[in-house]
Amino acid sequence: ELKVEQNPLFLSMQEGKNYTIYCNYSTTSDRLYWYRQDPGKSLESLFVLLSNGAVKQEGRLMASLDTKARLSTLHITAAVHDLSATYFCAVDIWDDKIIFGKGTRLHILP
Amino acid sequence: DVKVTQSSRYLVKRTGEKVFLECVQDMDHENMFWYRQDPGLGLRLIYFSYDVKMKEKGDIPEGYSVSREKKERFSLILESASTNQTSMYLCASSWDRGTGELFFGEGSRLTVL
Repeated sequence: ELKVEQNPLFLSMQEGKNYTIYCNYSTTSDRLYWYRQDPGKSLESLFVLLSNGAVKQEGRLMASLDTKARLSTLHITAAVHDLSATYFCAVDIWDDKIIFGKGTRLHILP
Repeated sequence: DVKVTQSSRYLVKRTGEKVFLECVQDMDHENMFWYRQDPGLGLRLIYFSYDVKMKEKGDIPEGYSVSREKKERFSLILESASTNQTSMYLCASSWDRGTGELFFGEGSRLTVL
């Protein structure tokens, strides 16, 4: 059974600090996605990682993928309050069947 | 921009009622998905579809069925709603020859009394 595990599940941090969210998965895949969800809203795509070693950056967020370790990271640099949201990783296991982690609720204190 | 539209943002139904949740996408995507989202459980895949009249079970299909008669429309059906089906339901679509990136609708919050 595929497992997609995120940690931490909840993170409260100060503005200006750096932190990393981890996403581990239990089966072979070379497609991994990060999504953001604001309270009361739906999910929006942040990053699409399609190969081992892929790295994508957008503003203060950077995502990477290590398919051999079955690990992706979402790194936050110098956090700002606007980044407060829930972040999900999702893994494409076969033929576009996409399984999500439980999400990391990020709260950035001003 | 891709638009995925879910017909109802909020529904309140009674136990035993039949419930239809409709989802329409306007980008000619082959793949469509239904997830439910519950606090602490993340998103769980109910059903997905690669093509018209095709469907595949996800991780939690029990108590649900789906219909895809047209490429742009994917319906989730609760034959006899139960209180444990109270949840947020999210529809998504993706392009078969693309990256697999999902585009989500706004969600339908269903309450079963």
